Amino acid sequence: QVQLVQSGAEVKKPGASVKVSCKASGYIFNNYGISWVRQAPGQGLEWMGWISTFNVNTNYAQKFQGRVAMTTDTSTSTAYMQLTSLTSDDTAVYYCARDWGPVDFWGQGTLVTVSS
Amino acid sequence: EIVMTQSPATLSVSPGERATLSCRAGQSVSSNLAWYQQKPGQAPRLLIYGASTRATGIPARFSGSGSGTEFALTISTLQPEDFADYYCHQYYDYPRTFGQGTKVEIK
Repeated sequence: QVQLVQSGAEVKKPGASVKVSCKASGYIFNNYGISWVRQAPGQGLEWMGWISTFNVNTNYAQKFQGRVAMTTDTSTSTAYMQLTSLTSDDTAVYYCARDWGPVDFWGQGTLVTVSS
Repeated sequence: EIVMTQSPATLSVSPGERATLSCRAGQSVSSNLAWYQQKPGQAPRLLIYGASTRATGIPARFSGSGSGTEFALTISTLQPEDFADYYCHQYYDYPRTFGQGTKVEIK
């Protein structure tokens, strides 16, 4: 069965960086892209960006340009999302999801807390 | 970017009743529209894609309609497990965008 398993919760100080991993299984990794979506406490879903697992093309939301980097490791079927220069506004649950237009399978989410 | 606007923000419905949620796109997204259900503490679950196609395992009481800029998600007979947040999502163009969500609560 399709599964996306994300890394564990993180606590970071303002100005730091975080790197979240997303390990895929149960399907051919290179056949689908990966999108990253975040959700601040009590808020809605916010699309951050997408990466092609085929040719590593990326498309980032303007809001995160220059601060986000999405990468993949096809040898381990793992996607990564790194976010730099963290502020308290980045406190959120970060999700990876399999993307073929709609996103169908989601990871369990990774809580990133930014606090001094 | 394409702004997605959902209405109402909160929908109060009794179990067994019908619920209709709306989603409007700021410009045409053709049929590249998906609906997700999210319960507290859980990841979203895909319900509908292509505006009207139910995802695998989704009960027939969920139906989607619309194209272009106007879309709807209808839950024909609300079950206790259907009380949750619902989001529409356009994948017609980048950046992908979500609506702000509709909370379906028990009346």
